[in-house]
Amino acid sequence: RKEVEQDPGPFNVPEGATVAFNCTYSNSASQSFFWYRQDCRKEPKLLMSVYSSGNEDGRFTAQLNRASQYISLLIRDSKLSDSATYLCVVNFGGGADGLTFGKGTHLIIQP
Amino acid sequence: ETGVTQTPRHLVMGMTNKKSLKCEQHLGHNAMYWYKQSAKKPLELMFVYSLEERVENNSVPSRFSPECPNSSHLFLHLHTLQPEDSALYLCASSQDRKSTNEKLFFGSGTQLSVL
Repeated sequence: RKEVEQDPGPFNVPEGATVAFNCTYSNSASQSFFWYRQDCRKEPKLLMSVYSSGNEDGRFTAQLNRASQYISLLIRDSKLSDSATYLCVVNFGGGADGLTFGKGTHLIIQP
Repeated sequence: ETGVTQTPRHLVMGMTNKKSLKCEQHLGHNAMYWYKQSAKKPLELMFVYSLEERVENNSVPSRFSPECPNSSHLFLHLHTLQPEDSALYLCASSQDRKSTNEKLFFGSGTQLSVL
């Protein structure tokens, strides 16, 4: 069974706040993890890979908890331009065709 | 500027029409994909091509017919579609399809409406 679950939101967050959301996955043998960002009526774009030790890219921090089978994304000092849908993506094995997408979490940053 | 271009951006067609979606990647990648994204649903993988050979067909109805004439171009031929086929169709490419760390690069998609 290959499932990726996300809270669809929307998360309404004031500008400058910190926001975090999680994603759970079904298979403990999952091999790689990603967050993609999708703006309204646009294509998904890779935001960041998620590494076992956790990783940070500017205001964005991604963490992986293999024991509990979830990954998280934390956004600090949120900007209006962070408003988007964030897609959790898990590779359950194999190549790029093994990628399974979550439905996405919709984030709205309010002025 | 995306390395993957898709045309048309929008398409409205009747159930008896025949149309084609076109995708071109300028990234030198070896693998190309068609995905379907319906409202409130996750992206669904439809077809995978690796070095111009179809390697996966996820039980997609035969009214969708892919074609990959070379590693840079991918088409999706549509005929006798149903209204439930209305969705955003996304083309993507990756360096190859075998690495578990492979990252996808998407085109801007074709928003398809079937009347």
